[in-house]
Amino acid sequence: QVQLQQWGAGLLKPSETLSLTCAVYGGSFSGYYWSWIRQPPGKGLEWIGEINENGHTNYNPSLKSRAIISLDTSKIQFSLKLSSVTAADTAVYYCARSVDYYDSSGYYDFYFDYWGQGTLVTVSS
Amino acid sequence: QSVLTQPPSASGTPGQRVTISCSGSNSNIGTNTVNWYQQLPGTAPKLLIYTNIQRPSGVPDRFSGSKSGTSASLAISGLRSEDEADYYCAAWDDSLNGLVFGGGTKLTVL
Repeated sequence: QVQLQQWGAGLLKPSETLSLTCAVYGGSFSGYYWSWIRQPPGKGLEWIGEINENGHTNYNPSLKSRAIISLDTSKIQFSLKLSSVTAADTAVYYCARSVDYYDSSGYYDFYFDYWGQGTLVTVSS
Repeated sequence: QSVLTQPPSASGTPGQRVTISCSGSNSNIGTNTVNWYQQLPGTAPKLLIYTNIQRPSGVPDRFSGSKSGTSASLAISGLRSEDEADYYCAAWDDSLNGLVFGGGTKLTVL
Protein backbone atom coordinates (compact mmCIF):
# COMPACT_ATOMS: atom_id res chain seq x y z
CA GLN A 1 0.00 0.00 0.00
CA VAL A 2 1.47 3.30 -1.10
CA GLN A 3 1.45 6.08 1.48
CA LEU A 4 2.49 9.70 1.00
CA GLN A 5 3.55 11.81 3.95
CA GLN A 6 4.21 15.50 3.48
CA TRP A 7 5.61 18.33 5.53
CA GLY A 8 6.78 21.92 5.30
CA ALA A 9 6.46 25.42 6.73
CA GLY A 10 2.89 26.45 7.37
CA LEU A 11 3.22 30.22 7.74
CA LEU A 12 5.00 32.49 5.28
CA LYS A 13 5.28 36.20 4.67
CA PRO A 14 4.58 37.71 1.25
CA SER A 15 7.53 37.39 -1.17
CA GLU A 16 8.97 34.37 0.65
CA THR A 17 9.41 30.93 -0.92
CA LEU A 18 7.07 28.08 -0.07
CA SER A 19 8.86 24.78 0.47
CA LEU A 20 7.15 21.39 0.90
CA THR A 21 8.41 17.81 0.77
CA CYS A 22 6.55 14.55 0.24
CA ALA A 23 7.92 11.12 1.14
CA VAL A 24 6.71 7.98 -0.61
CA TYR A 25 6.33 4.80 1.44
CA GLY A 26 5.44 1.36 0.16
CA GLY A 27 6.45 2.04 -3.43
CA SER A 28 9.08 3.44 -5.74
CA PHE A 29 9.26 6.34 -8.13
CA SER A 30 9.45 4.08 -11.15
CA GLY A 31 6.66 4.20 -13.68
CA TYR A 32 4.77 7.14 -12.26
CA TYR A 33 4.68 10.89 -12.11
CA TRP A 34 4.41 12.66 -8.75
CA SER A 35 2.26 15.74 -8.45
CA TRP A 36 1.43 18.72 -6.28
CA ILE A 37 -2.14 20.02 -6.07
CA ARG A 38 -3.50 22.87 -3.98
CA GLN A 39 -6.87 23.96 -2.62
CA PRO A 40 -7.52 27.50 -1.30
CA PRO A 41 -9.78 27.56 1.76
CA GLY A 42 -13.36 26.86 0.75
CA LYS A 43 -12.45 26.59 -2.93
CA GLY A 44 -11.69 23.98 -5.56
CA LEU A 45 -8.59 22.04 -6.59
CA GLU A 46 -5.73 23.32 -8.75
CA TRP A 47 -2.98 21.14 -10.22
CA ILE A 48 0.46 22.70 -9.79
CA GLY A 49 2.73 20.29 -11.61
CA GLU A 50 4.45 16.90 -11.64
CA ILE A 51 7.79 15.15 -11.91
CA ASN A 52 8.82 11.64 -12.90
CA GLU A 53 11.70 9.39 -11.88
CA ASN A 54 13.92 10.87 -14.58
CA GLY A 55 13.32 14.41 -13.38
CA HIS A 56 11.05 15.32 -16.27
CA THR A 57 8.55 17.94 -15.16
CA ASN A 58 5.23 19.35 -16.33
CA TYR A 59 3.73 22.47 -14.82
CA ASN A 60 0.42 24.28 -14.79
CA PRO A 61 1.18 27.18 -17.16
CA SER A 62 -0.32 29.63 -14.66
CA LEU A 63 2.30 28.68 -12.04
CA LYS A 64 5.20 27.63 -14.20
CA SER A 65 7.21 30.81 -13.66
CA ARG A 66 7.22 30.39 -9.86
CA ALA A 67 7.09 26.64 -9.23
CA ILE A 68 9.95 24.18 -9.11
CA ILE A 69 9.38 20.48 -8.44
CA SER A 70 12.38 18.31 -7.70
CA LEU A 71 13.05 14.80 -6.45
CA ASP A 72 15.49 12.86 -4.33
CA THR A 73 15.38 9.29 -5.58
CA SER A 74 17.68 8.04 -2.83
CA LYS A 75 15.17 9.15 -0.20
CA ILE A 76 12.10 8.50 -2.39
CA GLN A 77 10.96 12.05 -1.81
CA PHE A 78 9.88 14.91 -4.02
CA SER A 79 9.57 18.58 -3.23
CA LEU A 80 7.80 21.77 -4.26
CA LYS A 81 9.18 25.26 -4.12
CA LEU A 82 6.92 28.18 -4.98
CA SER A 83 8.60 31.56 -5.05
CA SER A 84 7.33 35.07 -4.39
CA VAL A 85 4.22 33.94 -2.57
CA THR A 86 1.26 36.22 -1.93
CA ALA A 87 -1.97 35.85 0.02
CA ALA A 88 -3.46 34.23 -3.09
CA ASP A 89 -1.14 31.26 -2.52
CA THR A 90 -2.77 30.50 0.83
CA ALA A 91 -4.09 26.97 0.44
CA VAL A 92 -3.92 23.36 1.53
CA TYR A 93 -1.20 21.77 -0.57
CA TYR A 94 -1.39 18.07 -1.41
CA CYS A 95 1.14 15.72 -2.90
CA ALA A 96 -0.16 12.82 -4.96
CA ARG A 97 0.89 10.01 -7.27
CA SER A 98 -0.09 10.68 -10.87
CA VAL A 99 -1.03 8.04 -13.38
CA ASP A 100 -0.89 9.54 -16.86
CA TYR A 101 -0.68 7.91 -20.26
CA TYR A 102 -2.32 7.74 -23.67
CA ASP A 103 -4.80 4.89 -23.86
CA SER A 104 -5.33 2.66 -26.88
CA SER A 105 -7.84 5.11 -28.35
CA GLY A 106 -5.47 8.06 -28.10
CA TYR A 107 -7.20 9.67 -25.14
CA TYR A 108 -4.91 11.11 -22.48
CA ASP A 109 -5.69 9.69 -19.08
CA PHE A 110 -4.40 11.57 -16.04
CA TYR A 111 -5.48 10.86 -12.49
CA PHE A 112 -4.21 10.82 -8.91
CA ASP A 113 -4.56 7.50 -7.13
CA TYR A 114 -2.75 8.19 -3.86
CA TRP A 115 -2.74 11.45 -1.92
CA GLY A 116 -0.83 12.93 0.98
CA GLN A 117 -2.62 14.25 4.02
CA GLY A 118 -2.34 17.89 3.00
CA THR A 119 -0.45 20.85 4.47
CA LEU A 120 -2.08 24.21 5.14
CA VAL A 121 0.18 27.03 4.03
CA THR A 122 -0.87 30.52 5.07
CA VAL A 123 0.70 33.63 3.58
CA SER A 124 0.27 36.66 5.78
CA SER A 125 2.27 39.69 6.77
CA GLN B 1 -14.01 30.29 -12.95
CA SER B 2 -13.25 26.63 -13.62
CA VAL B 3 -12.60 25.19 -17.07
CA LEU B 4 -14.92 22.27 -16.31
CA THR B 5 -18.42 23.24 -15.17
CA GLN B 6 -20.20 21.44 -12.35
CA PRO B 7 -23.34 22.41 -10.45
CA PRO B 8 -22.30 23.90 -7.09
CA SER B 9 -24.72 21.74 -5.16
CA ALA B 10 -26.82 18.57 -5.35
CA SER B 11 -29.00 16.77 -2.87
CA GLY B 12 -30.99 13.63 -2.33
CA THR B 13 -32.58 11.47 0.31
CA PRO B 14 -31.21 8.13 1.49
CA GLY B 15 -31.75 5.42 -1.10
CA GLN B 16 -32.22 7.85 -3.99
CA ARG B 17 -30.13 8.07 -7.15
CA VAL B 18 -28.28 11.34 -7.74
CA THR B 19 -26.29 12.46 -10.76
CA ILE B 20 -23.64 15.18 -10.95
CA SER B 21 -22.75 16.64 -14.32
CA CYS B 22 -19.41 17.92 -15.61
CA SER B 23 -19.37 20.00 -18.77
CA GLY B 24 -16.24 20.76 -20.75
CA SER B 25 -15.09 21.29 -24.32
CA ASN B 26 -13.35 19.58 -27.22
CA SER B 27 -9.95 20.40 -25.77
CA ASN B 28 -10.55 18.50 -22.53
CA ILE B 29 -13.44 16.06 -22.06
CA GLY B 30 -13.95 15.81 -25.82
CA THR B 31 -10.46 14.40 -26.38
CA ASN B 32 -9.34 12.99 -23.05
CA THR B 33 -10.68 10.88 -20.22
CA VAL B 34 -12.56 12.11 -17.16
CA ASN B 35 -11.85 11.26 -13.55
CA TRP B 36 -13.86 11.92 -10.40
CA TYR B 37 -12.76 12.57 -6.83
CA GLN B 38 -14.67 12.49 -3.57
CA GLN B 39 -13.57 14.80 -0.76
CA LEU B 40 -15.08 14.16 2.64
CA PRO B 41 -15.03 17.13 5.04
CA GLY B 42 -11.55 17.89 6.32
CA THR B 43 -9.83 15.14 4.33
CA ALA B 44 -7.76 14.76 1.18
CA PRO B 45 -9.59 13.96 -2.05
CA LYS B 46 -9.99 10.30 -2.94
CA LEU B 47 -10.06 8.83 -6.44
CA LEU B 48 -13.62 7.66 -7.12
CA ILE B 49 -13.78 7.03 -10.89
CA TYR B 50 -10.92 6.94 -13.40
CA THR B 51 -10.81 6.58 -17.18
CA ASN B 52 -14.44 7.70 -17.45
CA ILE B 53 -16.04 4.59 -15.96
CA GLN B 54 -13.52 2.57 -13.93
CA ARG B 55 -13.78 2.18 -10.15
CA PRO B 56 -10.64 1.71 -8.04
CA SER B 57 -10.60 -1.28 -5.75
CA GLY B 58 -12.75 -0.61 -2.70
CA VAL B 59 -15.12 1.89 -4.31
CA PRO B 60 -18.69 0.56 -4.11
CA ASP B 61 -20.52 -0.15 -7.35
CA ARG B 62 -23.13 2.38 -6.24
CA PHE B 63 -20.81 4.90 -7.88
CA SER B 64 -20.66 4.97 -11.66
CA GLY B 65 -19.27 7.30 -14.30
CA SER B 66 -20.19 8.04 -17.88
CA LYS B 67 -19.01 10.30 -20.67
CA SER B 68 -20.61 11.53 -23.87
CA GLY B 69 -19.02 14.07 -26.18
CA THR B 70 -17.84 17.00 -24.10
CA SER B 71 -19.78 16.12 -20.95
CA ALA B 72 -19.49 13.55 -18.20
CA SER B 73 -21.62 12.44 -15.28
CA LEU B 74 -21.19 10.79 -11.92
CA ALA B 75 -24.12 8.76 -10.66
CA ILE B 76 -24.60 7.64 -7.08
CA SER B 77 -27.35 5.11 -6.45
CA GLY B 78 -28.67 3.96 -3.11
CA LEU B 79 -27.59 7.25 -1.56
CA ARG B 80 -26.18 6.98 1.96
CA SER B 81 -25.41 9.59 4.59
CA GLU B 82 -21.69 8.90 4.29
CA ASP B 83 -21.82 10.00 0.65
CA GLU B 84 -22.20 13.60 1.83
CA ALA B 85 -19.06 15.20 0.41
CA ASP B 86 -17.64 17.42 -2.30
CA TYR B 87 -17.20 15.82 -5.73
CA TYR B 88 -14.77 17.02 -8.39
CA CYS B 89 -14.34 16.06 -12.03
CA ALA B 90 -11.01 16.46 -13.81
CA ALA B 91 -9.49 16.01 -17.27
CA TRP B 92 -6.37 16.96 -19.19
CA ASP B 93 -6.80 20.04 -21.36
CA ASP B 94 -4.84 19.98 -24.63
CA SER B 95 -5.17 23.73 -25.22
CA LEU B 96 -4.06 24.75 -21.74
CA ASN B 97 -1.54 21.88 -21.61
CA GLY B 98 -2.49 21.09 -18.04
CA LEU B 99 -4.88 19.15 -15.86
CA VAL B 100 -8.11 21.03 -15.12
CA PHE B 101 -10.70 20.44 -12.43
CA GLY B 102 -14.36 21.27 -12.15
CA GLY B 103 -15.37 23.71 -9.46
CA GLY B 104 -16.80 20.94 -7.32
CA THR B 105 -20.30 19.87 -6.31
CA LYS B 106 -21.35 19.73 -2.69
CA LEU B 107 -23.65 16.77 -2.18
CA THR B 108 -26.07 16.93 0.71
CA VAL B 109 -27.95 13.88 1.92
CA LEU B 110 -31.22 15.13 3.33
